Amino acid sequence: ETGVTQSPTHLIKTRGQQVTLRCSSQSGHNTVSWYQQALGQGPQFIFQYYREEENGRGNFPPRFSGLQFPNYSSELNVNALELDDSALYLCASSTKREHYEQYFGPGTRLTVT
Amino acid sequence: QKEVEQDPGPLSVPEGAIVSLNCTYSNSAFQYFMWYRQYSRKGPELLMYTYSSGNKEDGRFTAQVDKSSKYISLFIRDSQPSDSATYLCAMNRDDKIIFGKGTRLHILP
Repeated sequence: ETGVTQSPTHLIKTRGQQVTLRCSSQSGHNTVSWYQQALGQGPQFIFQYYREEENGRGNFPPRFSGLQFPNYSSELNVNALELDDSALYLCASSTKREHYEQYFGPGTRLTVT
Repeated sequence: QKEVEQDPGPLSVPEGAIVSLNCTYSNSAFQYFMWYRQYSRKGPELLMYTYSSGNKEDGRFTAQVDKSSKYISLFIRDSQPSDSATYLCAMNRDDKIIFGKGTRLHILP
């Protein structure tokens, strides 16, 4: 059974740029959730994707957007990067039915300078 | 008031001691209660989840939920240095998971 994978591991971007982060879900999972974790904080829910559609969104602006593909993998896109976007971005997969049982990837550490 | 409150610590205990980690919450709509362990620079790892009030045991870990008090706990018996990590409580609401800030735990050899 393959776990959740994310790429890239680390990324450095300049303010105003755009970034795309990628996630492959665990085998058998059809739901992907994205979280932002600032240093010293718990993960904050960004949004969730199920059947290639957004299925719930946290308190994040529209410049945070995503996609889910037919193989259940997902992308997180962030436009017009701000310094405060520097964080660990985590992807978690689950089944729709057992959405509370989420398994996380190792994360992508984004630094905005 | 935040929906989920968790003392960030750090909490330092000697090896072999029983560790008690706690969270309080304000939203009675929460249904499932989870505990995650996160090592430095890694993603969170699901340890346990519970649905109803009461206790659930898995090896050295026991999760306890008291819905009447809106209070959840995680107990770690016979703590080991490898248990040193940040422990995050989490709860679900409308397909979203709300996390506490996490408690940093240090087990001293």
